[in-house]
Amino acid sequence: AQTVTQSQPEMSVQEAETVTLSCTYDTSESDYYLFWYKQPPSRQMILVIRQEAYKQQNATENRFSVNFQKAAKSFSLKISDSQLGDAAMYFCAGTQGGSEKLVFGKGTKLTVNP
Amino acid sequence: NAGVTQTPKFQVLKTGQSMTLQCAQDMNHEYMSWYRQDPGMGLRLIHYSVGAGITDQGEVPNGYNVSRSTTEDFPLRLLSAAPSQTSVYFCASSYTRTSGREEQYFGPGTRLTVT
Repeated sequence: AQTVTQSQPEMSVQEAETVTLSCTYDTSESDYYLFWYKQPPSRQMILVIRQEAYKQQNATENRFSVNFQKAAKSFSLKISDSQLGDAAMYFCAGTQGGSEKLVFGKGTKLTVNP
Repeated sequence: NAGVTQTPKFQVLKTGQSMTLQCAQDMNHEYMSWYRQDPGMGLRLIHYSVGAGITDQGEVPNGYNVSRSTTEDFPLRLLSAAPSQTSVYFCASSYTRTSGREEQYFGPGTRLTVT
């Protein structure tokens, strides 16, 4: 069984600055995939970024990047040049290879201050 | 494409009533699933399906039934509603059923209150 832990219930950042959200993913499997989903006040779940565990290169999508440290089971999300529209709940999630079943962390609420 | 649609958006039930939450997708996705979201708990998997005619239990299946008679539809049935089932329910789908790497597309959610 895998567990996903997000230790920061809330974070805040000034507009245009950088913020890092933490996540740990504990699993005994070697083949798995990690995701960050964003949930704005509209409630819609939106995929931000995806990381494949067997890839050493960290994923990047525009202002969003991850720092994946496999041995440390760490999967943090860095948001650069934060914008007001980045304010949302952010969920870290993972799947085991060969299964689509997502396991979610409890989420981090990000506030962006103007 | 409409993507993943859910109806209703809001529902209030009395304890003991039954109802069905509807979910449909028009992307020909094999995998569909239901999650519930409670404050401070993240999303938890209720039931899932890897194709028409195939369903299985997730982490929190008690009190819920599902069926998958077509690729497009995956309804969630509450047999006898309880206040503990007050939650926001999300349906999700993805293209494959066996890779684990695919993005899951989520519906807009149904907010259910059981009094």
